Amino acid sequence: EAGVTQFPSHSVIEKGQTVTLRCDPISGHDNLYWYRRVMGKEIKFLLHFVKESKQDESGMPNNRFLAERTGGTYSTLKVQPAELEDSGVYFCASSQAGHRRPATNEKLFFGSGTQLSVL
Amino acid sequence: LAKTTQPISMDSYEGQEVNITCSHNNIATNDYITWYQQFPSQGPRFIIQGYKTKVTNEVASLFIPADRKSSTLSLPRVSLSDTAVYYCLVGGLSMDTGRRALTFGSGTRLQVQP
Repeated sequence: EAGVTQFPSHSVIEKGQTVTLRCDPISGHDNLYWYRRVMGKEIKFLLHFVKESKQDESGMPNNRFLAERTGGTYSTLKVQPAELEDSGVYFCASSQAGHRRPATNEKLFFGSGTQLSVL
Repeated sequence: LAKTTQPISMDSYEGQEVNITCSHNNIATNDYITWYQQFPSQGPRFIIQGYKTKVTNEVASLFIPADRKSSTLSLPRVSLSDTAVYYCLVGGLSMDTGRRALTFGSGTRLQVQP
């Protein structure tokens, strides 16, 4: 069974440019999450999809970040325009249960992340 | 949000048992405690999960006292390949949105020496 895949693995862009990160969850997983680690700090929650619906986007830092999951399969996270402080590792995770809120007994499967560097 | 506190780092030798304790004083009644392992350049990987008392799987054991305000991950007979960062995860209820979000703490960097 394929795991969670993220693309690209690395991205280097200049300040002001746009970058789109992609996440392919494990097939059949309704829950999809985006997390990020910035500047070596803690891994922070960004948002949570159940199928194609955003259930919780309380962690999104500002309106320069836009996440979509059309059709409830893969998801994209667009940063536009990118700023220096957006540099970090962006992780995607998926899980099976289709609850409205993250069920705290669920098991998350993470991708290897996208290393984003904004110069 | 339920905040977790773990030691920043730990050192051990091959073959020893390692116990990593996590404090989560604000854990909610319905929250489970989950531990993840992360190697460099990889995403976190699920190790073990529990609600109370003790849970054991092929990789580790998890001890949770009755008050559930802490938990201890036990790794038996560690090897060099167990060198990684270990995260304790507890779901929490956001005061702002009323939603739950699984939050990572700073993690514990375990270094296993030969």
